[in-house]
Amino acid sequence: NAGVTQTPKFRVLKTGQSMTLLCAQDMNHEYMYWYRQDPGMGLRLIHYSVGEGTTAKGEVPDGYNVSRLKKQNFLLGLESAAPSQTSVYFCASSYSSERIYGYTFGSGTRLTVV
Amino acid sequence: KQEVTQIPAALSVPEGENLVLNCSFTDSAIYNLQWFRQDPGKGLTSLLLIQSSQREQTSGRLNASLDKSSGRSTLYIAASQPGDSATYLCAVNTDKLIFGTGTRLQVFP
Repeated sequence: NAGVTQTPKFRVLKTGQSMTLLCAQDMNHEYMYWYRQDPGMGLRLIHYSVGEGTTAKGEVPDGYNVSRLKKQNFLLGLESAAPSQTSVYFCASSYSSERIYGYTFGSGTRLTVV
Repeated sequence: KQEVTQIPAALSVPEGENLVLNCSFTDSAIYNLQWFRQDPGKGLTSLLLIQSSQREQTSGRLNASLDKSSGRSTLYIAASQPGDSATYLCAVNTDKLIFGTGTRLQVFP
């Protein structure tokens, strides 16, 4: 049971380049989330999904897009990377409406935009 | 807007001490509260999950309490060890998980 898997683990981009971060979970979770973690600011929610085919904006959605075409996968896209998007990105998943279960996190993607 | 605060921001103690980490939140309308551990350069490991109807949860040397009405949670670590050195994050679930900025703990031999 792999849990939540993020790829890639590290990436360096040039300003203006695009890329997609992949999150995959094998726990049949309905909800999936993308967070970014920056020094002194904690983890902030970028986008989330409450089920296959759905997406919603979180606290800091600008500059990012997401897609949830399959229940087990949640993609985070950067269309035109900026140095301000240098961060560590975490994906998480959880069960749905009962909200009595906790969140499971991936190991993170460290992105540097130069 | 829900805000989560963790005090202290950093803590350095000798091995064997009992520790209390504090977490406070501004809106008591939460579903549950989760404590995580994060090692440098690593992901988040869930330690304890407390439902809004519960007062505390225990796992080994860890005990977490929740006072929803006052917007407070504490994480108690008994007989600390150097292996406990990490950043401890508190997060409240209000349909989204809102995090504090963490307490960086160092336990020295």
